[in-house]
Amino acid sequence: GQQVMQIPQYQHVQEGEDFTTYCNSSTTLSNIQWYKQRPGGHPVFLIQLVKSGEVKKQKRLTFQFGEAKKNSSLHITATQTTDVGTYFCAPPQGGSEKLVFGKGTKLTVNP
Amino acid sequence: DGGITQSPKYLFRKEGQNVTLSCEQNLNHDAMYWYRQDPGQGLRLIYYSQIVNDFQKGDIAEGYSVSREKKESFPLTVTSAQKNPTAFYLCASSMSGLADQETQYFGPGTRLLVL
Repeated sequence: GQQVMQIPQYQHVQEGEDFTTYCNSSTTLSNIQWYKQRPGGHPVFLIQLVKSGEVKKQKRLTFQFGEAKKNSSLHITATQTTDVGTYFCAPPQGGSEKLVFGKGTKLTVNP
Repeated sequence: DGGITQSPKYLFRKEGQNVTLSCEQNLNHDAMYWYRQDPGQGLRLIYYSQIVNDFQKGDIAEGYSVSREKKESFPLTVTSAQKNPTAFYLCASSMSGLADQETQYFGPGTRLLVL
């Protein structure tokens, strides 16, 4: 089945530094969703990207969908301790109604 | 996310026993899902249901069973055939089962530990 590669697996930053996680697919995606899971918590939906080259912003978070719709990124500007957690990308599995979750990028922020 | 409840929060099971995890939603969603999460891993789909009285296997269905007798409820049974059941189990729902287009709402999860 379709798989997505999410990098890096772990990222440690100092508070105030920027952070980026990348999601790469070998196949063209119809859309992609991003979720955040706080430590000990459950995934919470952040955003969905649909259009080629789409860029969406949520305060300090910037989401991008590649022109070829094979990759996506999430960038956090000036991280805060509240950003701690694991960020997952989740595109649909080709030809099905299911989502495929990447392994996630675990972000830790040192105050 | 307060519309989905899972119980219990922690569950201990002896080897060889079946155990059932509860998932209830009051969001009036048609579709419900069960995922398994292992440490440092993403979510893997166990079973999903797009409508009452119908469900499909996900990527790792072996050793698990489900039922969908009511729209609000989608219990998961972890059977003794599941060789490594210790994990974090997450239930989710979405409005109509078009998972590739819809937000999924997750419950708080159940941590299962086999003793």
